[in-house]
Amino acid sequence: GAGVSQSPSNKVTEKGKDVELRCDPISGHTALYWYRQSLGQGLEFLIYFQGNSAPDKSGLPSDRFSAERTGGSVSTLTIQRTQQEDSAVYLCASRIRDRGNTEAFFGQGTRLTVV
Amino acid sequence: AQSVTQPDIHITVSEGASLELRCNYSYGATPYLFWYVQSPGQGLQLLLKYFSGDTLVQGIKGFEAEFKRSQSSFNLRKPSVHWSDAAEYFCAVEGGGFKTIFGAGTRLFVKA
Repeated sequence: GAGVSQSPSNKVTEKGKDVELRCDPISGHTALYWYRQSLGQGLEFLIYFQGNSAPDKSGLPSDRFSAERTGGSVSTLTIQRTQQEDSAVYLCASRIRDRGNTEAFFGQGTRLTVV
Repeated sequence: AQSVTQPDIHITVSEGASLELRCNYSYGATPYLFWYVQSPGQGLQLLLKYFSGDTLVQGIKGFEAEFKRSQSSFNLRKPSVHWSDAAEYFCAVEGGGFKTIFGAGTRLFVKA
């Protein structure tokens, strides 16, 4: 596609339920990032995928958060047993990784509200 | 590990006035540096980036930034601000491994 696509754009869920957020990166981009942006906050790094390498999960805030990337393309971020503090905008970005001087392109984000 | 600090949470400037947004980073070597802008209800858009070479980089919308190694800074500037520049600005730093870390952001308000 022309850009990074995220779905759904908005998600309201009840506390304790599981949610899945999807990211379709730009075709050919080998690197994929997930960030979280809470109200009035900056972007908090969550996880980074690069090709077939083991992902950098150092930013995941708890074991309720997990992510996978199938076939080196689409990625799903899963939050189990959601809590109210999980409410935020979750942003996905992709990037060409085979050369150094590139930047990340961001999707519009998924706004998650836990009630 | 790298980190980035944007000391100003928000800044207000008059339309037509000059602008400088501060960004300081921490990293043991020369990092890659970026400035992104996020307008209300919009996604993040890259303004400019620094990888190597000339320390003064030009970006879109009339913005520029200067990498100063001695000060570990990458401040964003614009000579004359327009009302449409009101947005949130994020500085980002990337060290080894392509992990990009963002600052907390600076919200710019433009007054008529």
